[in-house]
Amino acid sequence: DADVTQTPRNRITKTGKRIMLECSQTKGHDRMYWYRQDPGLGLRLIYYSFDVKDINKGEISDGYSVSRQAQAKFSLSLESAIPNQTALYFCATSDLSLSTGELFFGEGSRLTVL
Amino acid sequence: GQNIDQPTEMTATEGAIVQINCTYQTSGFNGLFWYQQHAGEAPTFLSYNVLDGLEEKGRFSSFLSRSKGYSYLLLKELQMKDSASYLCAVIDSNYQLIWGAGTKLIIKP
Repeated sequence: DADVTQTPRNRITKTGKRIMLECSQTKGHDRMYWYRQDPGLGLRLIYYSFDVKDINKGEISDGYSVSRQAQAKFSLSLESAIPNQTALYFCATSDLSLSTGELFFGEGSRLTVL
Repeated sequence: GQNIDQPTEMTATEGAIVQINCTYQTSGFNGLFWYQQHAGEAPTFLSYNVLDGLEEKGRFSSFLSRSKGYSYLLLKELQMKDSASYLCAVIDSNYQLIWGAGTKLIIKP
């Protein structure tokens, strides 16, 4: 079983719908991240959380919200999806700071907004 | 602004050696990662450099020159399974991770 699990893996939805992507991890890491990946662009950070009570915006947080329900769970919501949110979304975890440990990624959630 | 440059695509032959370059302009530097990403899959960690020099790990090596804002990933004895995208990422002064767009490596028999 994967250490970082994302659901759903694939989702097609319509403009204006609310969508939630969920992430759970069994690595025991405090730090969790949500990224999106678009062709020709680097991974872009949406939100990150260093512990249950800590939520921080990344470079492209507009149109997204997150919830850190527990140390192991970090969900990403699109309140009203729009077509330019069509992308591959990755959840990731890390232990302590990036300077001491790499990111561990989930398998990705491919979202298509029509 | 902050920027990381990598070639978009490279082609190499099975059994050969390939070098993938990464140049960066960031606000500060606290380390550089290389990740491998097969199509449709999650990125996986390859290497981390924070000091100048070469880090060797099996068939893969990563080099860093902080004064030049430059790194490369060297892949030896290429195998078909090495066909993937290779992502360079830099930790800036705020400990934020800045990602390059990745280099798609195509291996031909």
